[in-house]
Amino acid sequence: NAGVTQTPKFRILKIGQSMTLQCTQDMNHNYMYWYRQDPGMGLKLIYYSVGAGITDKGEVPNGYNVSRSTTEDFPLRLELAAPSQTSVYFCAGGTPNTGELFFGEGSRLTVL
Amino acid sequence: AQSVTQPDIHITVSEGASLELRCNYSYGATPYLFWYVQSPGQGLQLLLKYFSGDTLVQGIKGFEAEFKRSQSSFNLRKPSVHWSDAAEYFCAVGAYNTDKLIFGTGTRLQVFP
Repeated sequence: NAGVTQTPKFRILKIGQSMTLQCTQDMNHNYMYWYRQDPGMGLKLIYYSVGAGITDKGEVPNGYNVSRSTTEDFPLRLELAAPSQTSVYFCAGGTPNTGELFFGEGSRLTVL
Repeated sequence: AQSVTQPDIHITVSEGASLELRCNYSYGATPYLFWYVQSPGQGLQLLLKYFSGDTLVQGIKGFEAEFKRSQSSFNLRKPSVHWSDAAEYFCAVGAYNTDKLIFGTGTRLQVFP
């Protein structure tokens, strides 16, 4: 039981490049989330999903896209990377009304 | 507006000393309240949660938190801090019918021997 797994752990991108952060879970959670964490800013919600085929924007969705074709996978796509997207990204799955969210270990992205 | 405020960005304590981390919230519905801990290089882990009932709740690793409705607060406490408690702590708020939690900006705890 791996929980929530994110890949890659580290990535350096050039401005204008695109990439996908992968997130997969084996806990059968309907709810999944993508957050970014910047120093002193806490966690900002990018996108979330309440089940396969359903996604919605969070606080900071600009520059990102997501899809949820299966319960297990919730990839985050960055199109035309910008330095402002340099951050640590966390994927989480869980049940929000119990507060029990399970986080991946994070993906550190640097855009140069 | 719904929000969570953690007024202390950084706290330093000596090992063995007591600890209190502050959390204030603003939320329209009856809140569910949570504390998460993030060890360096890791994701967040749930420490404890409050839904209703006894306003003093116990969590993992010897932590406890007290809900005070009149002060809109949910402060985290530990009687004696260990060096391994050095981490970042996040307060969060939700509700029974919410799709997502609102997180505070975090408090970084440093522990000196």
